[in-house]
Amino acid sequence: SQQGEEDPQALSIQEGENATMNCSYKTSINNLQWYRQNSGRGLVHLILIRSNEREKHSGRLRVTLDTSKKSSSLLITASRAADTASYFCALDRGSTLGRLYFGRGTQLTVWP
Amino acid sequence: SAVISQKPSRDICQRGTSLTIQCQVDSQVTMMFWYRQQPGQSLTLIATANQGSEATYESGFVIDKFPISRPNLTFSTLTVSNMSPEDSSIYLCSVGQGSPAETQYFGPGTRLLVL
Repeated sequence: SQQGEEDPQALSIQEGENATMNCSYKTSINNLQWYRQNSGRGLVHLILIRSNEREKHSGRLRVTLDTSKKSSSLLITASRAADTASYFCALDRGSTLGRLYFGRGTQLTVWP
Repeated sequence: SAVISQKPSRDICQRGTSLTIQCQVDSQVTMMFWYRQQPGQSLTLIATANQGSEATYESGFVIDKFPISRPNLTFSTLTVSNMSPEDSSIYLCSVGQGSPAETQYFGPGTRLLVL
């Protein structure tokens, strides 16, 4: 498979809790990116982590990358109802400039 | 970041007809992408549309079914031809951003229902 696989497929938490989503993949990558999609709308880029990086932070987001295990995780701290969305990991395999391979996504529901 | 608009936002079409989706960007971009997203599924890349060259189609997608135009650096169209109910999907355009263009900015999508 050329794309990442997110786990879990669905996640339901209360506001204020942390949400962790994982992405596993099988190919080598140039970088890995996370995107959010609200209710079937366009995707929004959240964060990019390169293959030589292990951890990145952006606001309440923390992304880790373990290239030896071919896995990444996205942690959203202190979740809010507005974080309810689908989250996708996207692989940049470096084979074609700009070409990304998207996983099936994790549907996150945050209850008020 | 680029601001991308798509028209129409949604449409209901009869089988056998064609629909042209427009994608407009507020800045000049080299790389544009067209995706299809079926309900509850991931994004599947249809083609890459770079200005000044023919669109590059992914496996399983052909130009006769999904002709693409890219007349300038801010605009592209995707036509879904001879539609069937299996073409019911969300169609998304995106543009490459950054130098190199590693990340993508997406339009709001076009929801298509084929009856």
